[in-house]
Amino acid sequence: AQKITQTQPGMFVQEKEAVTLDCTYDTSDPSYGLFWYKQPSSGEMIFLIYQGSYDQQNATEGRYSLNFQKARKSANLVISASQLGDSAMYFCAMREWDGGFKTIFGAGTRLFVKA
Amino acid sequence: EAQVTQNPRYLITVTGKKLTVTCSQNMNHEYMSWYRQDPGLGLRQIYYSMNVEVTDKGDVPEGYKVSRKEKRNFPLILESPSPNQTSLYFCASSSVLRETQYFGPGTRLLVL
Repeated sequence: AQKITQTQPGMFVQEKEAVTLDCTYDTSDPSYGLFWYKQPSSGEMIFLIYQGSYDQQNATEGRYSLNFQKARKSANLVISASQLGDSAMYFCAMREWDGGFKTIFGAGTRLFVKA
Repeated sequence: EAQVTQNPRYLITVTGKKLTVTCSQNMNHEYMSWYRQDPGLGLRQIYYSMNVEVTDKGDVPEGYKVSRKEKRNFPLILESPSPNQTSLYFCASSSVLRETQYFGPGTRLLVL
């Protein structure tokens, strides 16, 4: 069965430093996609970045990059130059293309950025 | 403005009283989905729809119904709500050609 694991319930990072949020996944489907979302305290869900299982290069979106290690089944989010506004809950998610678009989420990591 | 809307945003109800949470998107997206969010569990998918009249179960479909009669709307129906359905509910949509999933603002439901 597909599964997403985020082992860090909470993380602290100093402003302007980089931080890595861990995500491991488990699937037997060769075709899948990995996502990261941000949920600030206001509650909305914000899409950050996407990586397809067949993508050769790691995805990047501005200050966000996804460190995709397929053999290890990990998809860590790297935030460079952290800002106070990055303080939020971060969720890793996976979608399998097995004829449908079922999506599962990890339990999330709460990031605190210190001034 | 491209958006996903949900109504109501907040709802308090009693056990067994049928309710519907509406979801509408204005982006002509094929894919729509409902999730519930509970502390420590992340988001869990309830149902999703690939297109009009095409729906499928997610991980936690028990106690919920959906329909997709129009492309823009994907209502979530609780025929007989129970206290364990107290949660924060999100509707989301995306194009099958792009991966960005747009979320609605959420509906906070309390079942007494």
